[in-house]
Amino acid sequence: DQQVKQNSPSLSVQEGRISILNCDYTNSMFDYFLWYKKYPAEGPTFLISISSIKDKNEDGRFTVFLNKSAKHLSLHIVPSQPGDSAVYFCAASAIQGAQKLVFGQGTRLTINP
Amino acid sequence: KAGVTQTPRYLIKTRGQQVTLSCSPISGHRSVSWYQQTPGQGLQFLFEYFSETQRNKGNFPGRFSGRQFSNSRSEMNVSTLELGDSALYLCASSLASRGRTGELFFGEGSRLTVL
Repeated sequence: DQQVKQNSPSLSVQEGRISILNCDYTNSMFDYFLWYKKYPAEGPTFLISISSIKDKNEDGRFTVFLNKSAKHLSLHIVPSQPGDSAVYFCAASAIQGAQKLVFGQGTRLTINP
Repeated sequence: KAGVTQTPRYLIKTRGQQVTLSCSPISGHRSVSWYQQTPGQGLQFLFEYFSETQRNKGNFPGRFSGRQFSNSRSEMNVSTLELGDSALYLCASSLASRGRTGELFFGEGSRLTVL
């Protein structure tokens, strides 16, 4: 049972344009959501997070939007840069302070020059 | 500040053997979590340790075990290895303080191949 789903295995975007990565979840107990980026041969790196009490969180070029009614979140990267090419994982946790994250399958983002 | 260090980075075992993986968290981090990454299942939570106590456990068989030492270093052990245990095992540490839920810092992983 996939509680966190990233339905797009891959996404290709032109440099300078907006990249939008999507994530859906099924467990209504999730109250904290995170995005991680992973380069080959490296561990995932934390990007940005959002609590369920918010609907938007912004950090530089990265913005995460949360739609609780639709159980959907998205990561926007503007403008996209070649160094953003990586696999992006959406993750969720159900208990404040708990480190048990449920990850999506990941979306491979490729930024084309 | 040194990151999360995992050893060994690569190892090959045969079915039925056991393996021990080691993780040194970022200095000051008391929470250590372990995840298994496979192409088919993605990243799956194994367990989390905090102050030498297992605080959370994922849905893995008892062949998977772990422990944490007083210096926060952690080890995980897999006994009676199966082919399906071939995976990248990732360790992550965190401050586990209020307001920083889930901000995990991952190591580069230990890639286990079971033949």
